[in-house]
Amino acid sequence: AQSVSQHNHHVILSEAASLELGCNYSYGGTVNLFWYVQYPGQHLQLLLKYFSGDPLVKGIKGFEAEFIKSKFSFNLRKPSVQWSDTAEYFCAVNGWGTSGTYKYIFGTGTRLKVLA
Amino acid sequence: ETGVTQTPRHLVMGMTNKKSLKCEQHLGHNAMYWYKQSAKKPLELMFVYSLEERVENNSVPSRFSPECPNSSHLFLHLHTLQPEDSALYLCASSQEFGEQFFGPGTRLTVL
Repeated sequence: AQSVSQHNHHVILSEAASLELGCNYSYGGTVNLFWYVQYPGQHLQLLLKYFSGDPLVKGIKGFEAEFIKSKFSFNLRKPSVQWSDTAEYFCAVNGWGTSGTYKYIFGTGTRLKVLA
Repeated sequence: ETGVTQTPRHLVMGMTNKKSLKCEQHLGHNAMYWYKQSAKKPLELMFVYSLEERVENNSVPSRFSPECPNSSHLFLHLHTLQPEDSALYLCASSQEFGEQFFGPGTRLTVL
């Protein structure tokens, strides 16, 4: 079955700590990969995306993610978090499955709280 | 107005009511989506429209009925809902199934 797993549901870090949020997917077809972020009281918005090419992608606000095809992973990283990074982060996969149906699958989300 | 807008922002309805949620995108995109966001569950894709034709319907109960009259507007018609349908309903749009732009959502409560 097609799925996206985010292993950390809640993460609490101090400012300047490094961040890595895990994302693994299961999908039988060509995929595009995304990380979305939802800041408190705001809309979901795109953080970064991978369609093809360099597996290390850079997004807004110093975030980056690495696509490792052999591990079906797309982990999100930031070397030094700030209080303003407090938000919920969603990993997502989209694509056309082997049965010809279109899917856009989100993970359950990771709530990040950064302590000032 | 820019981006993706949704109305109403909050809706309380009884199980016998009929109501509609509206979504409008001002981005010139050709695909629109309805999602359901419930507490402690992943975002659930309900419907996908591309060029005003329904591309995907992920086994959504018939008490939810989508309508896409043109590429800028998307409706979700609600009829005889259940309390478990209470959730945040999000609309999104994209160009060619790429990056999605989300609206603020409609917080629905079914009594």
